[in-house]
Amino acid sequence: GENVEQHPSTLSVQEGDSAVIKCTYSDSASNYFPWYKQELGKRPQLIIDIRSNVGEKKDQRIAVTLNKTAKHFSLHITETQPEDSAVYFCAASFGNEKLTFGTGTRLTIIP
Amino acid sequence: SAVISQKPSRDICQRGTSLTIQCQVDSQVTMMFWYRQQPGQSLTLIATANQGSEATYESGFVIDKFPISRPNLTFSTLTVSNMSPEDSSIYLCSVVGTESLGNYGYTFGSGTRLTVV
Repeated sequence: GENVEQHPSTLSVQEGDSAVIKCTYSDSASNYFPWYKQELGKRPQLIIDIRSNVGEKKDQRIAVTLNKTAKHFSLHITETQPEDSAVYFCAASFGNEKLTFGTGTRLTIIP
Repeated sequence: SAVISQKPSRDICQRGTSLTIQCQVDSQVTMMFWYRQQPGQSLTLIATANQGSEATYESGFVIDKFPISRPNLTFSTLTVSNMSPEDSSIYLCSVVGTESLGNYGYTFGSGTRLTVV
């Protein structure tokens, strides 16, 4: 089955700086890669996703890049703000089948 | 995206008892899943709820412990049976639709925080 690794497990950045979280996946058939933000006590919320026919996708301060050959994808957050502090999860799936999640990254933005 | 109502939001249960969690979606979805999230951990898939047939369980999860029903395209239940303190966790329903159904992407319910004493 699919295995998703995520790094780093914790990340602290100064407000205004950029943050990058990286994930690798094992199943070359996976074709959908979402990123979720989870604040304390709340459900995971989809913040951006990418499909395997696209190499990069951007939404305001958030971008995701995908390298299918290397089987890794990354989340980039620019101009970080205190409200970006949360746990971020990457995930991978094939079609509409089950999502396999990474282990999570606790991002802390230092004011 | 689809709107999910998950109930109860939290419960404290005695060991040896069972709890049934409900997941109601406001529109038809293609797939429904049940996840467990232990404190400070990632999400682990328990099973895929199949409409009108037995759920598909992941390694380490069995039907006797986590019976699941999905009688139609918008509703599913997960039962945590014969509970022990190790079952204390957050249980989350997740659904995925298609663009043709008007609800695209994976969405999560608000979760059920279960404490077994």
